[in-house]
Amino acid sequence: DQQVKQNSPSLSVQEGRISILNCDYTNSMFDYFLWYKKYPAEGPTFLISISSIKDKNEDGRFTVFLNKSAKHLSLHIVPSQPGDSAVYFCAARAGAGGTSYGKLTFGQGTILTVHP
Amino acid sequence: DAGITQSPRHKVTETGTPVTLRCHQTENHRYMYWYRQDPGHGLRLIHYSYGVKDTDKGEVSDGYSVSRSKTEDFLLTLESATSSQTSVYFCAIRPLLNTEAFFGQGTRLTVV
Repeated sequence: DQQVKQNSPSLSVQEGRISILNCDYTNSMFDYFLWYKKYPAEGPTFLISISSIKDKNEDGRFTVFLNKSAKHLSLHIVPSQPGDSAVYFCAARAGAGGTSYGKLTFGQGTILTVHP
Repeated sequence: DAGITQSPRHKVTETGTPVTLRCHQTENHRYMYWYRQDPGHGLRLIHYSYGVKDTDKGEVSDGYSVSRSKTEDFLLTLESATSSQTSVYFCAIRPLLNTEAFFGQGTRLTVV
């Protein structure tokens, strides 16, 4: 039972254009959503997050949108750069306290390739 | 640099042998996690710890055990390695007030 899904295994965009990565979830108890970026032979690095009470969070070229009614979030990268080429993971947290302990549930990842 | 060191970085082992992976942190964070990354599955939680000697199972814990005898070290043991445990293993730490976790560089384990 995959609670967080990234249905697009890969995405290819031209440098300077917008990259849109999508993520769907099923658990209504998720209170935070995060995006991580991963380069080959490195660990995932945190990119941006959004609380479930917000619908948008922006950090430079990166914006995350949350649609709670559709249980869908997306990461927009504008403008895309070749250095953005990496695997992007969507993740979700079901609270920090109780028995949750801040555990993250990850999607399968999307490979983004930005062509010069 | 989140102060996380995983060792070894690469290991090849034979089926049936025990293997221990080490995660060491310099930040004294309470929460530590072990994930494995496999194609088509993303990152899946194996075990986690919320303090010294306090650990619990994640979603793919079968065949794995963990120990945390001191704050800075979180050990993952494959009791009897199988080929299905060939994977890349990541340790993560999470500061108390943070939502995000910080990951180590990973250990690539091959079971032959």
